[in-house]
Formats: sequence, C-alpha cells, structure tokens
Amino acid sequence: DVKVTQSSRYLVKRTGEKVFLECVQDMDHENMFWYRQDPGLGLRLIYFSYDVKMKEKGDIPEGYSVSREKKERFSLILESASTNQTSMYLCASSPRPEKLGFHTEAFFGQGTRLTVV
Amino acid sequence: AQSVTQLDSHVSVSEGTPVLLRCNYSSSYSPSLFWYVQHPNKGLQLLLKYTSAATLVKGINGFEAEFKKSETSFHLTKPSAHMSDAAEYFCVVTLGGSYIPTFGRGTSLIVHP
Repeated sequence: DVKVTQSSRYLVKRTGEKVFLECVQDMDHENMFWYRQDPGLGLRLIYFSYDVKMKEKGDIPEGYSVSREKKERFSLILESASTNQTSMYLCASSPRPEKLGFHTEAFFGQGTRLTVV
Repeated sequence: AQSVTQLDSHVSVSEGTPVLLRCNYSSSYSPSLFWYVQHPNKGLQLLLKYTSAATLVKGINGFEAEFKKSETSFHLTKPSAHMSDAAEYFCVVTLGGSYIPTFGRGTSLIVHP
C-alpha cells in the first residue's frame, strides 16, 4: 500500500522558533509537494520538488524553505515561526507523468496541524 | 496558467436526494482532473480521476463525474446522498506540461436526515 508519512500530527511551537516538518514517501516518486490548508482557501502550494536537491517556489513561499537531500524525504522549514503560520500542512508525492504517459493522482500524508503561540 | 473554480462553497442536501458539486477549470492544455474527499480530521482520499480516457468517470462510494471539454467542467454527482457523504470535497487539475496539482477552494457537503 502506498504511503506518505508526516512525522507529527500535531505541533505547538513558539513565535520565533525554527520549525521542521518532515515527510517521507515509500513509492519512489520523483515529485513531492508541501501545501498549506486553511478554511475557505483550499490547499495552497508552498514549495515543490521534482528531483533530489531540486526545489521550486509555489504560490505562497514567503517565510518557508525546503530541503530534499534524498528522494524519499522532503522537509519544510519555518525559519522563524509566526502566528500567521498556524495552519494544517499537507505533504504529497506523485510519479513523473512521462513514466506513465498521463498524470496520476498525488498521494497525501495525514497532515500536521501546527499551532504557533 | 491553470485554475480551478468550485462554484459553491457549501451544498446542503437531504439524505436520499441527488448530489451535484460543480467544478470548472481554465486551461489551454488537456488536463488531468481529480476529485478528492476529506472527512473531518482525516486525510485526503481520491474519489475519482479523469486522465483522457472515458469522459464519464466512476469513482468510489457511488460518485461519478463527467468531463465536458466544451464547458471546461468536471462536475461531481451522486444519485442518492448518504449521511456518511458529509465532508469537504476538492476538485483538482494537473496540466499536461506541469507536475503540480492545483486545488479548488473546496465545497462543504452537508447532508440532512
């Protein structure tokens, strides 16, 4: 069974702390994504990666950075957490479409609910 | 650029009546289209997907969706709502040249007894 695992379901951090959110997939997927989910706004893309050590900004990258040193792991970093980063964070992975000839679905982790106080 | 519009933020139905959740996309390329469901405090689950095969797509739990290129729509339907269908539903599009799933803002389905 395919699996995307996020290291924590719930986190509480203080303003100004450096926060690491970890995501691991076991499907050998090339693409990995970090989204933020807020009520009424759907899922918004923070960063994505299409290969090891490659990263691209999404729609809302400000205040975040990412790291992908190994294919299976994609980390989201909040350099200095702020209260407006309180949210649900979702990691996803998908295979490169050229391998299949079409886009398959992205597979999601269970999410990390981060509260910054 | 690609975008997805879910036309209703909330849809309320009675149990046993039909469900219609509307989704329109804007794209210059042939898209792949998906519907996901998210129950409270749960992760995202794929309901169904369109990837350029049959335009009428059947998914899990009795849901189906029809891809209409001329209308740039991919509406989700179910003949008879069940209480367990109450959840948030997301329409998602991925373009041919992009790896990135783009989400609509979601539709909250409320099912009354």
